Amino acid sequence: DIQLTQSPSFLSASVEDRVTVTCRASQGINSSVAWYQQKPGRAPKLLIYSASTLQSGVPSRFSGSGSGTEFTLTISSLQPEDFATYWCQQLISYPQTFGPGTKVDIK
Amino acid sequence: QVQLVQSGAEVKKPGASVKVSCKASGYSFTTYSMHWVRQAPGQRPEWMGWINGGSGNTKHSQKFQDRVTISRDTSATTVYMELRSLTSEDTAVYYCARRPLGRVGHFGLDVWGQGTTVIVSS
Repeated sequence: DIQLTQSPSFLSASVEDRVTVTCRASQGINSSVAWYQQKPGRAPKLLIYSASTLQSGVPSRFSGSGSGTEFTLTISSLQPEDFATYWCQQLISYPQTFGPGTKVDIK
Repeated sequence: QVQLVQSGAEVKKPGASVKVSCKASGYSFTTYSMHWVRQAPGQRPEWMGWINGGSGNTKHSQKFQDRVTISRDTSATTVYMELRSLTSEDTAVYYCARRPLGRVGHFGLDVWGQGTTVIVSS
């Protein structure tokens, strides 16, 4: 199975901060990564797919980049509704594993 | 609007089976795949398997290979996930989520059901 790691696992930030989350894969996965946001008691919400394509309806402050084994999710100006847990998922190999998550909390 | 509506919460005893349904509406059922993802309390999501809404072909994680069956009823636009031989480690929220058919490794899971809580306890 392809293993994903995320860093940091926890991030404390303020509104309007620029935030970056990194996801690393145990082997090359081209651009086959998606990013999700999850709030307590809710299903995950798709933000980014194919590493850098913004899902329809997602604010443009979210962006993704990377290929191969290293990927990043950036929030250019953190808003109050962005405090949540973020997961990466690799889409190229079965099982389609998720990373361990990054929780973004209010400083 | 596009919607996935799942069946209600279940409480099962160890060794039993559970069958969760996912009713799709608002889109062309046969042009999407449906995936099942579960999430134990405080844990990362775990991908279980998927079914092609058009062909009915399925693929499961090896972890669940012998215990899970994913099926569909195209006339009812409903997908089912049955998990057998339950243990306490299967206690989790189970989600269905759709993905467009097409480019492998390209699309994410863009619409999710509300989740079904399954508790396994003696």
